[in-house]
Amino acid sequence: AQSVSQHNHHVILSEAASLELGCNYSYGGTVNLFWYVQYPGQHLQLLLKYFSGDPLVKGIKGFEAEFIKSKFSFNLRKPSVQWSDTAEYFCAVYNFNKFYFGSGTKLNVKP
Amino acid sequence: GAVVSQHPSWVICKSGTSVKIECRSLDFQATTMFWYRQFPKQSLMLMATSNEGSKATYEQGVEKDKFLINHASLTLSTLTVTSAHPEDSSFYICSTQRDYSEEQYFGPGTRLTVT
Repeated sequence: AQSVSQHNHHVILSEAASLELGCNYSYGGTVNLFWYVQYPGQHLQLLLKYFSGDPLVKGIKGFEAEFIKSKFSFNLRKPSVQWSDTAEYFCAVYNFNKFYFGSGTKLNVKP
Repeated sequence: GAVVSQHPSWVICKSGTSVKIECRSLDFQATTMFWYRQFPKQSLMLMATSNEGSKATYEQGVEKDKFLINHASLTLSTLTVTSAHPEDSSFYICSTQRDYSEEQYFGPGTRLTVT
């Protein structure tokens, strides 16, 4: 079975700081990769996804992620965070017809 | 993205009682819906895949008789927690998936507290 690891459980940044959230998965075959965001009091929303092609994927709100197959990683980045990015971020892997989620990273951005 | 609703958003019940949670796909007819459980500070864990018109497929370790899933129409799936116990207290989230797509759309979740 697939497992997904998110190394940072809680990240605190000041506005304009750069962000990188780590995500690693275990299964080495073909996978589809996702980052979801959950704003306070809201449901999970898709930030970006990777199926194939360019390993650098751009998503909404200035987020991007890079798929590095050799490292089984799909890290999320944003050059300059805003207070409104305060949320919980989940990495997810889709294979074997199922989603496998990481444990999530809570991001707090201080104004 | 598509809109998925859940009802209720929050429920408190006493031990031994049953609770039904509804999940509705508002934008498209969903052949397949999923039920997840989220523990505090942990990831979403898939409980079962709900298939319209057939029995749900449960993940290993999930009690079928305790977590009853009914997907009676293409827009509605229900999860009934039977004979609830305090350890069933959790956040339950459903999602829908379009046919031939890997993308899922999530509901806002239902917080269940069993006293």
